[in-house]
Amino acid sequence: QKEVEQDPGPLSVPEGAIVSLNCTYSNSAFQYFMWYRQYSRKGPELLMYTYSSGNKEDGRFTAQVDKSSKYISLFIRDSQPSDSATYLCATDNYGQNFVFGPGTRLSVLP
Amino acid sequence: NAGVMQNPRHLVRRRGQEARLRCSPMKGHSHVYWYRQLPEEGLKFMVYLQKENIIDESGMPKERFSAEFPKEGPSILRIQQVVRGDSAAYFCASSPGAMNTEAFFGQGTRLTVV
Repeated sequence: QKEVEQDPGPLSVPEGAIVSLNCTYSNSAFQYFMWYRQYSRKGPELLMYTYSSGNKEDGRFTAQVDKSSKYISLFIRDSQPSDSATYLCATDNYGQNFVFGPGTRLSVLP
Repeated sequence: NAGVMQNPRHLVRRRGQEARLRCSPMKGHSHVYWYRQLPEEGLKFMVYLQKENIIDESGMPKERFSAEFPKEGPSILRIQQVVRGDSAAYFCASSPGAMNTEAFFGQGTRLTVV
């Protein structure tokens, strides 16, 4: 079983839709959970992070962690074509490095 | 304040040659991490370094790969006798302390082995 699993997509939605991106992880010791956005042929950029369980909101983005089910989510409201990218979830590995999911490719169609 | 700088952005090597990838961390950052990304796959951890020390190399292949972060100058990821399977995007990230939410990634070096 991979440590972090993520549906690779691709996921296509119309502009203005609410997007839900999800990951599951296997190690209950993970504490930090991050979402990165990666545009084609660019480096990953940090969108949001959460510590332990709960929700965190930043503008159109909401990150959610449910440690009981080892499930993390990213919601994007009022999606825009500029949101088209690959979204990578990641968890910490005892503070030494991050374990990434394979990424979900999102296309927001105008 | 410049971000994490990686060079070259693109590197083409013939099988059997050596590849050297450089990473200059953000100013004030003394921790560097290297990741490899294969097509359609996520980022895989390779090595974590602080100045002059390798902290964790559990993700590095046992042969042909090495990394350093000298007291002066950029961090170097070296791949000797490259093979086609080494073709990938190599990213480095830097942080001011042990990897945390303040880690920033560079734009990557895309290595193609022909």
